[in-house]
Order: sequence, then C-alpha cells, then structure tokens
Amino acid sequence: AQSVTQLGSHVSVSEGALVLLRCNYSSSVPPYLFWYVQYPNQGLQLLLKYTSAATLVKGINGFEAEFKKSETSFHLTKPSAHMSDAAEYFCAVSVSNTGNQFYFGTGTSLTVIP
Amino acid sequence: EAQVTQNPRYLITVTGKKLTVTCSQNMNHEYMSWYRQDPGLGLRQIYYSMNVEVTDKGDVPEGYKVSRKEKRNFPLILESPSPNQTSLYFCASSFSPANTEAFFGQGTRLTVV
Repeated sequence: AQSVTQLGSHVSVSEGALVLLRCNYSSSVPPYLFWYVQYPNQGLQLLLKYTSAATLVKGINGFEAEFKKSETSFHLTKPSAHMSDAAEYFCAVSVSNTGNQFYFGTGTSLTVIP
Repeated sequence: EAQVTQNPRYLITVTGKKLTVTCSQNMNHEYMSWYRQDPGLGLRQIYYSMNVEVTDKGDVPEGYKVSRKEKRNFPLILESPSPNQTSLYFCASSFSPANTEAFFGQGTRLTVV
C-alpha cells in the first residue's frame, strides 16, 4: 500500500531563512511524487512533481525537491522564505498500478515570521 | 481559461436532506476525483472516475455517490447527509491519475447540522 508522511504539521521560519518541509513515502514500486500548495480559501495548485527523470526537481516560486530513493524521501526546500510563502503544503504520491489513486499527506502549515 | 468549477462554494444543510455538489472542468480531462479535507487528516479521496460511465471508490466512499454521464461533469451526491460529512470538499481533474498535474476546484465548504 502507498502512504505519505509529512513530519511537522506546523513549521515556522523567519523571512529570508531556509524552508525545509519533510515528506517520506511508502511505495512498493517507483512512485510519482508531487508537492502542492494551498493558499487560504483556495484550492490546491501544483508546485512541482517527480516522474522518474531528474532526482532534483525545480518548481514554481523558487521551490525545489530532491527524490532520494534510499531514504524514501521527497523533501521540499526553498533557500529564502518570503512572506507570500505562508500557506499549507501537501506532499502526494501516486503509482500507476494501484487503481489510479492519489495519496496525500496530512499537510504542513508554513508560517513566515517578518 | 483552464479551470475546475465547483458549486456551491458554501453550503449549510440539515441532516438527511439530499444535496448535490457540482463539478465541471473545461480541459477535456479524462480523470476526475473528489476529496474531502479535514484538519489533521489531509485530503482523502472519496471517488474517482477514469472516464465517462467509469467510476470507482476511493478511500472514504461511504455516504457518497457520484456519476459521470459527460466527460466535463462529475457531481458529488449526498443522499442523506450526516454531521460527520461536514468538511471541505475538492474536485480535481487531470489527463491521467499517475504522473500528470491535477487541477483543483476552489472547494465547497459543507456544514451539516
């Protein structure tokens, strides 16, 4: 079975500091991995995705994530936090042989302190 | 503009009164799905559809129905809503479920009293 674990339901960083949001997955076959962002009162939008090409994936708004198979991780990073990055972030996994489902983590709420 | 449209955005109803939340996409996507979002639980998939007339249960299908009579529409039906179905609901669509971007609607906040 597939699952996603996001460590830390709330993360606070100072403006300009490194953002690190953690995601670990469980999958018996190579997965597709995604990070989505949800701003208040909005739906989710894609930040970036890993689909078995380069292990370091660059996304929108300066975010990137690295797929580490040995650690079953797909952590999201950004070198310098902006106030506009305050939002809820979701990691998700899907595999093509599971009956076509997405599995989302429980989310991490990012607060950026001025 | 490519979008997924859900209606209504907010709904308060009483226990047992049937309701439908509509979802429509204009991107000719084959795959559509419904999620509910609850604090501390993230998004959980209710139902999904691979194409017209093809639907299947997700992780939390109890108390919900769906239909896919047209490619663009994927309504969520609560035949007899109960308070434990109070939640934030999202519809999503994509070309395929596995390796392509999913586009989400703005969400429907449902309260069942």
